[in-house]
Amino acid sequence: DAGITQSPRHKVTETGTPVTLRCHQTENHRYMYWYRQDPGHGLRLIHYSYGVKDTDKGEVSDGYSVSRSKTEDFLLTLESATSSQTSVYFCAISGPSGGAIEQFFGPGTRLTVL
Amino acid sequence: QKEVEQDPGPLSVPEGAIVSLNCTYSNSAFQYFMWYRQYSRKGPELLMYTYSSGNKEDGRFTAQVDKSSKYISLFIRDSQPSDSATYLCALTGTASKLTFGTGTRLQVTL
Repeated sequence: DAGITQSPRHKVTETGTPVTLRCHQTENHRYMYWYRQDPGHGLRLIHYSYGVKDTDKGEVSDGYSVSRSKTEDFLLTLESATSSQTSVYFCAISGPSGGAIEQFFGPGTRLTVL
Repeated sequence: QKEVEQDPGPLSVPEGAIVSLNCTYSNSAFQYFMWYRQYSRKGPELLMYTYSSGNKEDGRFTAQVDKSSKYISLFIRDSQPSDSATYLCALTGTASKLTFGTGTRLQVTL
């Protein structure tokens, strides 16, 4: 998985609790992305980062925040989880050429909000 | 209307068949066209990408882009059971963010 790990791999939580997902890369790539994948919707971009402390919103950013204090780590936080945030979350990094074209994905985190 | 439309399948073909997977799109600003393969419970992996119109071949895989029709295709020759996966098209215009199709599930049977 191109030196990308995600933790935890599975999580079950309750509505209203905060949740933080971690993405860690060993490739020293500048761009990092968080997606969610749901049946009928495919992959949708939540947030992305183009450098340390530089982040921007994707198409489904409501209810999510991100932080990137180091090149290798990109954190996704659900401040108060809701059942609609039950999904599979994927982190991705861009390839050596930079930009979004060549993205390498992590193994995913399966999140269930009860 | 979604920016990218992709038939979810499933598409079932016998081993050795030629497979055609397709996406249509509405945004004429898209310039880069990618195909990702995703095995069950795994992250997507990039198969190949093309810039603008034309064909690109990589082994048994051929990607084709027709910008005039806003239609992209992925052909798989001599399909194998190991090709059974979900195939996602992805497009971008600015090379900063990707727009994905919903994916087509392919099953290659023995």
